[in-house]
Amino acid sequence: GIQVEQSPPDLILQEGANSTLRCNFSDSVNNLQWFHQNPWGQLINLFYIPSGTKQNGRLSATTVATERYSLLYISSSQTTDSGVYFCAVDAGGTSYGKLTFGQGTILTVHP
Amino acid sequence: GAGVSQSPSNKVTEKGKDVELRCDPISGHTALYWYRQSLGQGLEFLIYFQGNSAPDKSGLPSDRFSAERTGGSVSTLTIQRTQQEDSAVYLCASSPDRASNQPQHFGDGTRLSIL
Repeated sequence: GIQVEQSPPDLILQEGANSTLRCNFSDSVNNLQWFHQNPWGQLINLFYIPSGTKQNGRLSATTVATERYSLLYISSSQTTDSGVYFCAVDAGGTSYGKLTFGQGTILTVHP
Repeated sequence: GAGVSQSPSNKVTEKGKDVELRCDPISGHTALYWYRQSLGQGLEFLIYFQGNSAPDKSGLPSDRFSAERTGGSVSTLTIQRTQQEDSAVYLCASSPDRASNQPQHFGDGTRLSIL
């Protein structure tokens, strides 16, 4: 099946810093989503982005489907950004509709 | 409802007991998915429903796991004769339909602990 690798595995920032999280995937995808899992375990949708670029406030994401990677940008980080960021993909075909998750990036933002 | 609703939010039970986990998807969503998040395995797919049928059961880890959906809405995931390795957070998601170009929306999960 499709492989999803996220980097870095851990990231520690000072409040106000910017960061880039990366997601590499091993095959073409029909769907790609970025999630933030907060300290209470809730999975929050950030972006549905199988290709192109989207922005939502301090967050933006870019997926280059032909090169099989996606980037999540966090600008002016805040302590509330702490948590785990997951990339998940749907490879289509026999996996149609099934999300395969990366292992996540653990982000800690210090005040 | 406004979001995907799961119950109970926490469940503690003894090894060997059966448990039922419930998921109420977003109103109007025909596709429903179950995932499991455990320390050793990360987030993994279990099963999905389109309407009341479950074409893909490939992710169910053993025959102790089963799921059903009735009326195209609420789904129940049942684990029989629970084992300690079943301890995990069970997450449910829904989307408007099974098409891959629809984002999945997740509930808050059920945290299952097997003693």
